[in-house]
Amino acid sequence: DQQVKQNSPSLSVQEGRISILNCDYTNSMFDYFLWYKKYPAEGPTFLISISSIKDKNEDGRFTVFLNKSAKHLSLHIVPSQPGDSAVYFCAAITTWAGNQFYFGTGTSLTVIP
Amino acid sequence: NAGVMQNPRHLVRRRGQEARLRCSPMKGHSHVYWYRQLPEEGLKFMVYLQKENIIDESGMPKERFSAEFPKEGPSILRIQQVVRGDSAAYFCASSAGTGGYEQYFGPGTRLTVT
Repeated sequence: DQQVKQNSPSLSVQEGRISILNCDYTNSMFDYFLWYKKYPAEGPTFLISISSIKDKNEDGRFTVFLNKSAKHLSLHIVPSQPGDSAVYFCAAITTWAGNQFYFGTGTSLTVIP
Repeated sequence: NAGVMQNPRHLVRRRGQEARLRCSPMKGHSHVYWYRQLPEEGLKFMVYLQKENIIDESGMPKERFSAEFPKEGPSILRIQQVVRGDSAAYFCASSAGTGGYEQYFGPGTRLTVT
């Protein structure tokens, strides 16, 4: 039962443009969401997170938007850079019910120079 | 480097052998998590440990798999009598347990069962 879904396995974007990565979830108990970036042969690296009491969190070029009614979150990267090329995973957690992360299957982003 | 350390990075085992994967959390972190990533899939939670305690092992197969996080030393994920289906990347993460919920991941151990 995949509670966190990333329906786009891959995305290609021109350098300088905006990259939008999407994530949907089914469990309304999730109250904290995170995005991780992963390069081949490395572990995931934490990028940005958002609590369910917010609808937006921004950190430099990265912004995460949360739409609780739609059970949808997205990661915006602007401007996109070639070094952003990686696999991006969204993750969700129910903070009061333990620390288990539920991960999506990932979206492979390629930023074309 | 104060990051999460995992070793070995690559491990090859024949069917029926035992695999031991080690994880040293970030300095100051007392919470350790193990995840498995099968080909073409996301990371799946296996087990959550604190020092000397298993907190949540709901994602761990009931047989052949065990995990520990002793008072001294690294956390160990042990797989007995490995089968080909155990071939995967195993990631360890750690967190401080207080404050933020972020988990910080190690580079992973790629297990290949031949």
